[in-house]
Amino acid sequence: GAGVSQTPSNKVTEKGKYVELRCDPISGHTALYWYRQSLGQGPEFLIYFQGTGAADDSGLPNDRFFAVRPEGSVSTLKIQRTERGDSAVYLCASSLYGTSGDNEQFFGPGTRLTVL
Amino acid sequence: AQSVTQPDIHITVSEGASLELRCNYSYGATPYLFWYVQSPGQGLQLLLKYFSGDTLVQGIKGFEAEFKRSQSSFNLRKPSVHWSDAAEYFCAVGAKTGGYQKVTFGTGTKLQVIP
Repeated sequence: GAGVSQTPSNKVTEKGKYVELRCDPISGHTALYWYRQSLGQGPEFLIYFQGTGAADDSGLPNDRFFAVRPEGSVSTLKIQRTERGDSAVYLCASSLYGTSGDNEQFFGPGTRLTVL
Repeated sequence: AQSVTQPDIHITVSEGASLELRCNYSYGATPYLFWYVQSPGQGLQLLLKYFSGDTLVQGIKGFEAEFKRSQSSFNLRKPSVHWSDAAEYFCAVGAKTGGYQKVTFGTGTKLQVIP
């Protein structure tokens, strides 16, 4: 497909479990972003990748959250020891270049994570 | 740090009526400003953006927004609303940070359109 895809679309897990959320950006996009959208809120920045490296991970809430992008394309957001407060929609976005001021971020449909 | 305020959580308009969604931002320099729309089960779609130049910005689906520096506002408008416009709308401000654009979103305004 031509857009950003995210899998799974829904994930239900139990408190304390480990989860992985996957993002496939638009082909050729070097910049990739993860956001978290809690109920009734706007998306909140988590982490930004330029290529393979995490250029800004200042939005990750704590060390249970980690993200990788080993080949500069697909990214995985990993959450250890999940808590009920982690329940949210996790959005991924990509853009063609990260350093230009006017680059549009294209968003995926999100993964809805529910922690029971 | 930048921030965005969308004072209206929920707005209801009749189909065919005009629409204005409010957005106020806080940022120390000239901001990059965006409006996104999110329909249920859909990703965020960019309606329009302002970076520089003309302060009245035209977007997709007949939307426009006006950047008013003196009021720190970027209100979204549409002259005649269609039932398909029912969705949640997010205003966002972007700041160049360390060579990339960090975007901060408002809490959103949910639009209901009644026949």
